[in-house]
Amino acid sequence: AQKVTQAQTEISVVEKEDVTLDCVYETRDTTYYLFWYKQPPSGELVFLIRRNSFDEQNEISGRYSWNFQKSTSSFNFTITASQVVDSAVYFCALSEARNDYKLSFGAGTTVTVRA
Amino acid sequence: DTEVTQTPKHLVMGMTNKKSLKCEQHMGHRAMYWYKQKAKKPPELMFVYSYEKLSINESVPSRFSPECPNSSLLNLHLHALQPEDSALYLCASSQESRTSYEQYFGPGTRLTVT
Repeated sequence: AQKVTQAQTEISVVEKEDVTLDCVYETRDTTYYLFWYKQPPSGELVFLIRRNSFDEQNEISGRYSWNFQKSTSSFNFTITASQVVDSAVYFCALSEARNDYKLSFGAGTTVTVRA
Repeated sequence: DTEVTQTPKHLVMGMTNKKSLKCEQHMGHRAMYWYKQKAKKPPELMFVYSYEKLSINESVPSRFSPECPNSSLLNLHLHALQPEDSALYLCASSQESRTSYEQYFGPGTRLTVT
């Protein structure tokens, strides 16, 4: 069963537009962790954020912000004023104790920012 | 410094060749990982090393043989691979395994098996 669903396969925006990436997860654990990673064309996965299940505060880091809502099992990611360098595949991932804290990745969302 | 390095960047090998992929981290992490990533798919975990001992093997075929010579180095020995093994191989590290610590990934080795 898919534990992490990223329903958007591809998103294309023009520079300076905002873009929101959806992530819905499924778990029976009460303690779990959620992550976002960015994979630019170079291939390296870049860690962006980790959030634990007890901390529902939204977070902002520069042009990035994250909205965690346990009630809807969602952990969405917004890029504000997108730039061409934001073009990448973005993965949402879940880590659960019952799964040895292995990362369960979503399918990924490809973001293309056009100049 | 959150850098994980991998060599080589690209590798082309025949089905009868033996080759090795190398990974190095100097963050003092005690857990290291190998992932396989096919095009347009998320990474799939292959192996986890914890304190230089193999901790998790995700039922990977024996033609892939991992090795952790010390806490900073991780190798993946390849032998008698199949064309379907062509993929991006990613190495990662984290402070500990079986914990919530984030993993830091290297740039990967793009492997083509001919």
